[in-house]
Amino acid sequence: GDSVTQMEGPVTLSEEAFLTINCTYTATGYPSLFWYVQYPGEGLQLLLKATKADDKGSNKGFEATYRKETTSFHLEKGSVQVSDSAVYFCALMRRDDKIIFGKGTRLHILP
Amino acid sequence: ETGVTQSPTHLIKTRGQQVTLRCSSQSGHNTVSWYQQALGQGPQFIFQYYREEENGRGNFPPRFSGLQFPNYSSELNVNALELDDSALYLCASSPPASGRGNNEQFFGPGTRLTVL
Repeated sequence: GDSVTQMEGPVTLSEEAFLTINCTYTATGYPSLFWYVQYPGEGLQLLLKATKADDKGSNKGFEATYRKETTSFHLEKGSVQVSDSAVYFCALMRRDDKIIFGKGTRLHILP
Repeated sequence: ETGVTQSPTHLIKTRGQQVTLRCSSQSGHNTVSWYQQALGQGPQFIFQYYREEENGRGNFPPRFSGLQFPNYSSELNVNALELDDSALYLCASSPPASGRGNNEQFFGPGTRLTVL
């Protein structure tokens, strides 16, 4: 069945460091891919998305590129801030609009 | 425009009891999906309702059931609560589906259920 695998956390970085959170997927066909963010005590917020191969999603300095050949959708940011501390979920959406999530990666940014 | 809202925010129940969680969808959205997020895990799809009918179900037992009302709000009911049902329950609404797997879902803040 469809699945999403993302790097385990926690990931701890210093402010202004470069961030990469790896995500790979297994799916039938070409699903849409998403990154969601969850701040402490809150629900999920859509961070960015890509709906077809080679698309790049971007928002708030975060980027991810839909790589069909490697079935990956890695999240990157050039310079993280303390306010980026949260849990990040990689996800795919099947053609029937059901979402499959990864287990999440907790990110800690130190000042 | 009001976003997705859920009630209650927190809930404590004991094993064997029943619980009802509520979700109000965003204006213009006719589809509601429910997810269970256990501590330290990603959300797991429970089921989806479209125009008052169940439209797909994940790997959850029948004691998890739901309803959708004519105004597209929704309820999640869980009978015979077990300790493992302790989790954050998330509701998400989405506009009329395109059927192409790119229909964005908008999430509510969740209801945190604790089963003692």
